Formats: sequence, C-alpha cells, structure tokens
Amino acid sequence: DAGITQSPRHKVTETGTPVTLRCHQTENHRYMYWYRQDPGHGLRLIHYSYGVKDTDKGEVSDGYSVSRSKTEDFLLTLESATSSQTSVYFCAISGLGQPYNEQFFGPGTRLTVL
Amino acid sequence: RKEVEQDPGPFNVPEGATVAFNCTYSNSASQSFFWYRQDCRKEPKLLMSVYSSGNEDGRFTAQLNRASQYISLLIRDSKLSDSATYLCVVKGVQKLVFGQGTRLTINP
Repeated sequence: DAGITQSPRHKVTETGTPVTLRCHQTENHRYMYWYRQDPGHGLRLIHYSYGVKDTDKGEVSDGYSVSRSKTEDFLLTLESATSSQTSVYFCAISGLGQPYNEQFFGPGTRLTVL
Repeated sequence: RKEVEQDPGPFNVPEGATVAFNCTYSNSASQSFFWYRQDCRKEPKLLMSVYSSGNEDGRFTAQLNRASQYISLLIRDSKLSDSATYLCVVKGVQKLVFGQGTRLTINP
C-alpha cells in the first residue's frame, strides 16, 4: 500500500470553527489531492497540489483552503466549518509523469459539523 | 447529464457467477480510464487501468469502447471477497472524474 496517512481519522466540530485536516505521504510523490465523498455525488475534487507551494482549485473549493510547505504534507483547512461540509475527506497522491494518472488514496477522515 | 454514469446497483449474484457492469462517459476527449474498488467505509483502491485494446488481470477483464463512450468490467468466478463498490474513473482534460459507483454483493 502507498504510504499515505491522514489525521485526524474522525472529528466532530461545531459550525463556525476552523478545522485543519492533514495528509502525509512517504512516497515523495509530486501530486497531492483532496477529495470529499458524499452519497449521491461520488468523489469530488476540492483542491490539488502539483508541488511545494503550488496549489490549484478543484470543482468544490468554496469554503476550503490548502497549503503545501513540504513535499510530504498537504493540509486542508475549512475556514469556518458549516454543516454542508460534513463528509468523508480523502487525500490522494499521484507520482507518474502527469497529474491525474493513477491515484492512491489515504484512509480518509470522517468529519461531522454540528 | 453526469460526466460519468454508472448503474448504482446493487447487484446481488451468487458466488462463482460472472458479473459485468458498464460505465458511460460524456467527454469524448477523455484520455485514460480506470476501475477502482471501494470497500465499505474504506478508501478507494485502484483495481485496474483500462487500455484501448482491453486488458485482463486474473478474473477481471476491462474493455473500452471509444465509439460508444463506455467502459466495462467483467468479473469471472466471483468470490465473496469481491463484494464492494466499483468506481468507474475517467481522466478528462484537467481532472479525474469519478462515477458514483456500482455496489456488488456476492452471496454464498
């Protein structure tokens, strides 16, 4: 299995609080991604990174920000959590020549916003 | 119309049976195709890439039909451990697009 960890694995928080999720990889892969998975929607891309300090928005980026200060870490921040951000969040990595090739996923973080 | 569409199932088949599911995609410029498997409350895992000429990996066969814009997955001699949700994934111009998944249950 690819060396990807996510923390925390579970979190319950209240509306309006900031939340940061961490993705850590030991594969030295260039590309990292944050997805959310909700019933009826499948996996949807929030943000992605193509290198240290290089990030871009995905299709559902509103309300989220990311940072990548080291190759191995990609942080997702919910600036002011809302109930609509209750979801399962997956980090993924990709190391082949181009982005959006095969991706390998972390174990996920279950976030509940009350 | 969704970019990637799958029959959500569930498919319930007996152990040892052959099962097939299709996935259609809307973007004719799509470049790469994959099948992922996701177990309940787990992360998606790459099952196989799908090549233009079709490809096989043990009991699993994937086919691509570019003219009709669909890909298929065939599972032969199904095992109880094949029970999972199968995600069809299509690489577009700037992103991967995931289908919602087809749930498969293999019954003893």
